[in-house]
Amino acid sequence: EAGVAQSPRYKIIEKRQSVAFWCNPISGHATLYWYQQILGQGPKLLIQFQNNGVVDDSQLPKDRFSAERLKGVDSTLKIQPAKLEDSAVYLCASSLSSLSREQFFGPGTRLTVL
Amino acid sequence: QQQVKQSPQSLIVQKGGISIINCAYENTAFDYFPWYQQFPGKGPALLIAIRPDVSEKKEGRFTISFNKSAKQFSLHIMDSQPGDSATYFCAASTRGNTPLVFGKGTRLSVIA
Repeated sequence: EAGVAQSPRYKIIEKRQSVAFWCNPISGHATLYWYQQILGQGPKLLIQFQNNGVVDDSQLPKDRFSAERLKGVDSTLKIQPAKLEDSAVYLCASSLSSLSREQFFGPGTRLTVL
Repeated sequence: QQQVKQSPQSLIVQKGGISIINCAYENTAFDYFPWYQQFPGKGPALLIAIRPDVSEKKEGRFTISFNKSAKQFSLHIMDSQPGDSATYFCAASTRGNTPLVFGKGTRLSVIA
């Protein structure tokens, strides 16, 4: 069974530029999460989707971050404009359904903002 | 507000020894407590999880001990091996498909 796929794996940008990350969850998984993991800390939820609807985006900095999950499969997370403090690993995770507690994580995208 | 406090931040254990990582929580609505293992350049992977209706769960060399009254839970790695060297995160979530709240992580190094 293929795992959660993410791309790109690494990205370096200048502050104020924009960047987008892509996630393909495990086939059949209805719930998709984006987490931000700053160096030395645990992952922190940015947004949670159930199929193509947003369940929780309370911690998403909406003035610069946006995410979508069209057709309830792939998802993209965008940052525009990026700030230095956005340097982190962005992790995508998926779970089978709203009743499943186990989350499967992708390898992440390491973003460096200069 | 950090809802799950994890300690120690780093841990060095001799091969064959026992590694112990502790976590404490405040939210009594938490009802699912997983531990994740993360290797450099990889995403976290579920190691073992427990619910508050049991006090201990064992899977191979990994054991979770849970103390509901103290609001604490811990991971024990028996016969620690160099391949166990990784960062370990405790986490918690409440009922109803809510997101995981993670601790800050413990970097474990097992030396021969």
